[in-house]
Amino acid sequence: RKEVEQDPGPFNVPEGATVAFNCTYSNSASQSFFWYRQDCRKEPKLLMSVYSSGNEDGRFTAQLNRASQYISLLIRDSKLSDSATYLCVVNIPSGTYKYIFGTGTRLKVLA
Amino acid sequence: GAGVSQSPSNKVTEKGKDVELRCDPISGHTALYWYRQSLGQGLEFLIYFQGNSAPDKSGLPSDRFSAERTGGSVSTLTIQRTQQEDSAVYLCASSSMDRAAFFGQGTRLTVV
Repeated sequence: RKEVEQDPGPFNVPEGATVAFNCTYSNSASQSFFWYRQDCRKEPKLLMSVYSSGNEDGRFTAQLNRASQYISLLIRDSKLSDSATYLCVVNIPSGTYKYIFGTGTRLKVLA
Repeated sequence: GAGVSQSPSNKVTEKGKDVELRCDPISGHTALYWYRQSLGQGLEFLIYFQGNSAPDKSGLPSDRFSAERTGGSVSTLTIQRTQQEDSAVYLCASSSMDRAAFFGQGTRLTVV
């Protein structure tokens, strides 16, 4: 099983739609979780951290489910500018802070 | 500096030559990471530094790849005897402890 898995998509959604992505991780001891956004031919940029209690930033909501070992990202009222690849990131605890990136989920918001 | 700085931004080299890629992390960040991303692919972990030591080198693809970090700051990734399959974007990121990592803009390496 991969350490971090994501559905590669693409998810094609109309403007204004709500879309959700999940990301599963294999190491139950992982403590830190993040969502990044990557635009074509650009570096990944931090979208939001994921906390146990769940957190929201405008149209974006992140959740952590430790029992089932997955994190989720919900985007409400999708905009054309949300089109990008969304990467989930999990730390692999081994006395260090090694971050493993999922391969990403491609989102296309259509006019 | 304000962000992670990588140089050069682009590098074209002939097969068999050695290349050095540089990463200048955010000031005060103790952790530094190197990743590689081939066109249309996900991020591939290469190596991680905590301070000047590299607890995890498991992602280095071959012994042609090496990296060092000095003074707990700047890191250099060296690829010896480059091959065409080494062509990719090499991304460096830094973080403070287990906080989020921030990326440089990457070095696009093309081996011809």
